Amino acid sequence: QKEVEQNSGPLSVPEGAIASLNCTYSDRGSQSFFWYRQYSGKSPELIMFIYSNGDKEDGRFTAQLNKASQYVSLLIRDSQPSDSATYLCAVTGSGGYQKVTFGTGTKLQVIP
Amino acid sequence: DADVTQTPRNRITKTGKRIMLECSQTKGHDRMYWYRQDPGLGLRLIYYSFDVKDINKGEISDGYSVSRQAQAKFSLSLESAIPNQTALYFCATAGTGTNEQFFGPGTRLTVL
Repeated sequence: QKEVEQNSGPLSVPEGAIASLNCTYSDRGSQSFFWYRQYSGKSPELIMFIYSNGDKEDGRFTAQLNKASQYVSLLIRDSQPSDSATYLCAVTGSGGYQKVTFGTGTKLQVIP
Repeated sequence: DADVTQTPRNRITKTGKRIMLECSQTKGHDRMYWYRQDPGLGLRLIYYSFDVKDINKGEISDGYSVSRQAQAKFSLSLESAIPNQTALYFCATAGTGTNEQFFGPGTRLTVL
C-alpha cells in the first residue's frame, strides 16, 4: 500500500462546477496535511494546509480532513480553466522527523 | 524577486560527469530539501537539512551528495551522473518547526 494515494485522473469538470479531489494515507499517526497545485512544467505551490479534523475554507478552496477514515480532500468551488493543473496531496508522518510524503497527484481539467 | 532560486534551470550532461545544482533562498528558513520528480513517481526526497550542521539522507540518496554552505544555500551534487538521474529536481524550504514547504522553480537535468 502506498503511503499517500491519489487517483491520477484526469478529472474533468465543467467551468463553474465543484471539483472534488481525494487523497488517502496509510500512517494513522499523521498530523499535518497539505495540498499543492502544480502547473505543467512548473514547481508545486502550497495552496492549503489542514491539521485538525473538519473543514478549512480559503476563498474557493476547502480542505476536508477525516483522520478516522485517513482521508483528506480538496474542494474547488466555481472551478475556472485556470484551475487546470495537477494537485498534489502531502502528508507528514508520525515519526520524530515528520517526513513529508507526497502523492503522485491528480490532474484536473476544467472545461470552458 | 523569487524567494527560492535554483541554478541552472536546464542542464544536459553526459554519463560520468560531475554535476552541481544550486539552491538559494531569501525566506530566512532553516529547513531545506532536495527532491526529484519523475512521471508517475511523484516527488521523492533526496536529502534534507534542518540547519547548517544538520544534513540527512532522504529516501533516494544513493548517487547524490549535498552541501549546506550557509543557512541560505543548499547544493546537490551528482558525483558521476547516470541516465536514470534524468529528472526534474526541486529545492524546497520550510520555516523552523514547520512542514509547509516552498519550492524553487526546478532544474531539468538530462543525462545522456
